[in-house]
Amino acid sequence: QKEVEQNSGPLSVPEGAIASLNCTYSDRGSQSFFWYRQYSGKSPELIMFIYSNGDKEDGRFTAQLNKASQYVSLLIRDSQPSDSATYLCAVNVGYSTLTFGKGTMLLVSP
Amino acid sequence: DTGVSQNPRHKITKRGQNVTFRCDPISEHNRLYWYRQTLGQGPEFLTYFQNEAQLEKSRLLSDRFSAERPKGSFSTLEIQRTEQGDSAMYLCASSPGGGSYEQYFGPGTRLTVT
Repeated sequence: QKEVEQNSGPLSVPEGAIASLNCTYSDRGSQSFFWYRQYSGKSPELIMFIYSNGDKEDGRFTAQLNKASQYVSLLIRDSQPSDSATYLCAVNVGYSTLTFGKGTMLLVSP
Repeated sequence: DTGVSQNPRHKITKRGQNVTFRCDPISEHNRLYWYRQTLGQGPEFLTYFQNEAQLEKSRLLSDRFSAERPKGSFSTLEIQRTEQGDSAMYLCASSPGGGSYEQYFGPGTRLTVT
């Protein structure tokens, strides 16, 4: 049974701070790791993906992967109120289906 | 790219009725996925196509659910004899393949069974 675990939150940070979202996964064969942002009532939006150990940066977002620890994280720098959403972590093997966590709710206060 | 589109966006139906949803993937994406999401949960896999071939189907999927992708382009998901437990957001995603594993979601179809 493949599992992806996330803290449900809410994670509350003030505007301008760094938000750190964490995710662990159970399947050591997982190869691809994704972060989706989901606003209430909307569908998931892909914001970051990472395939190799280390860090990957895109604008204000940094994804970090540690396969040995089966851990992936998402850092959001200079958090904005518009970043308030649920962040879903997902993993897969090759082109297979994604296994999602339940998501972490992020609240950024002005 | 115009993105993944899904129709209808909302569907209200009575228990026992059949419903059909359509998904149009991003053009030239040969992989198409269906997921279901309920409140407070992450999306749950239903089924997966590569071109017109259905390669994987969730063991949790009742035989009331069927999906097809006849020409390797759009896909339909049909639910027969709907039950109140089928109420959920039905999400379609597509992926380009060719070494790219990212999946891009459509806006979803919200189903309410009364």
